[in-house]
Order: sequence, then structure tokens, then C-alpha cells
Amino acid sequence: GESVGLHLPTLSVQEGDNSIINCAYSNSASDYFIWYKQESGKGPQFIIDIRSNMDKRQGQRVTVLLNKTVKHLSLQIAATQPGDSAVYFCAEGPGGSNYKLTFGKGTLLTVNP
Amino acid sequence: SAVISQKPSRDICQRGTSLTIQCQVDSQVTMMFWYRQQPGQSLTLIATANQGSEATYESGFVIDKFPISRPNLTFSTLTVSNMSPEDSSIYLCSGTTGTEKLFFGSGTQLSVL
Repeated sequence: GESVGLHLPTLSVQEGDNSIINCAYSNSASDYFIWYKQESGKGPQFIIDIRSNMDKRQGQRVTVLLNKTVKHLSLQIAATQPGDSAVYFCAEGPGGSNYKLTFGKGTLLTVNP
Repeated sequence: SAVISQKPSRDICQRGTSLTIQCQVDSQVTMMFWYRQQPGQSLTLIATANQGSEATYESGFVIDKFPISRPNLTFSTLTVSNMSPEDSSIYLCSGTTGTEKLFFGSGTQLSVL
């Protein structure tokens, strides 16, 4: 398969544990933030998004936290499953009618059974 | 969500040749973009594909190297011209239905010998 993860930060967790993936973004003017999951050989898949007027948003088994003071974004995955193993990317954008996204480096999550 | 189909899924090409990648989206997609993902790296925006007019390229990408067409709302092509081994990457088509949330195709994995 594609060696997307070889040069990326890695996180290894046990099945059933909670995972926290962190991301530092660069542009204090960014208004929109989004997390993607990319499995080997596939395109990025949307997980969850959040706007700058919020500091927390929850989805199914996932939570995104936004700390604008320190320009930090995190993705929390509850009860991590082997199917969660993938590379996770954060992305930021200006929001509104400007749809350009700037992607972070990505983190390889490995879930051990 | 939007449906984005991309082909070929992978190809191995000789140095100096060109490859055209096709992207078909469903009718909900309004804007289309092309990204590059080099081995072990994150996604970098190449250009915005504009319907019926020249694409808008990001810094570091030029039309002569990456000509893009979008003859109608639901179809776009990216050509990688005069290829060299440095062009070996995953090329991703993406689109939006009118919000900042981008949907991605499955990507084209290009290897240049």
C-alpha cells in the first residue's frame, strides 16, 4: 500500500482506549477547521468540523476541541476501534465563500487489538 | 455528501510523458479543486478548476505543467505534463457543495520512472 504514514507523527493505542490527536494551526484569522481521516489507498474522508465561534463540537464517538488562544485543535476518538487506524489530517480555512483549505502534516493512528 | 469519481486510480508512467486524470462529480458540487499529496506528506492545493475558464493556480504551480480543464459543472481533468520522478504523488480531485466542507475522490497514485 501507499507509504503515506512513514514520515508522519504516530500514535499507537489499544483497542477500546480513547485517542487524542493534536494539531497546531498557523493562521489566527482562520474561521473554519476540519478533520479528515485517510485510509491507505483512499482519499480523505470528512470526520467533523468546527467554526471559530465554538470551542467544542461532538459527533458520533468523536469530539473536536478548538483553543484559539494557542491556535490548537484536537480530535478525540472514544473507544478506539481497529477500523479507526488511518492517517488523520486537520485543515484550516478562512471560511465564508473562500473554500480553500490548508492541511496540516497528519498523524498516523494505529489501533492495536 | 457529494460523490466524486476519479480515474485512473493508479498509473506508472515514463519520464517525459504526460498523464491526464479525470474527475466526475455529482450535480451537487459547485466548486472543484485539485490537490497533490507527495509521499509521506500532507495535501497541497494545486488549483481551483473554474467552469469554462482558466483554472486559478496556487503559488508554485503553473498551467504549462498542470493544465486543467472544466468544460462543465460535473467534469474536470488534470494533466501532469512532461513528467519526472519528482511528480510521483497522489493527485486528488475534490469538490464542495457550497460550504467549506470538501469532499475528495479516491485519488490517482502516479509513479514516474
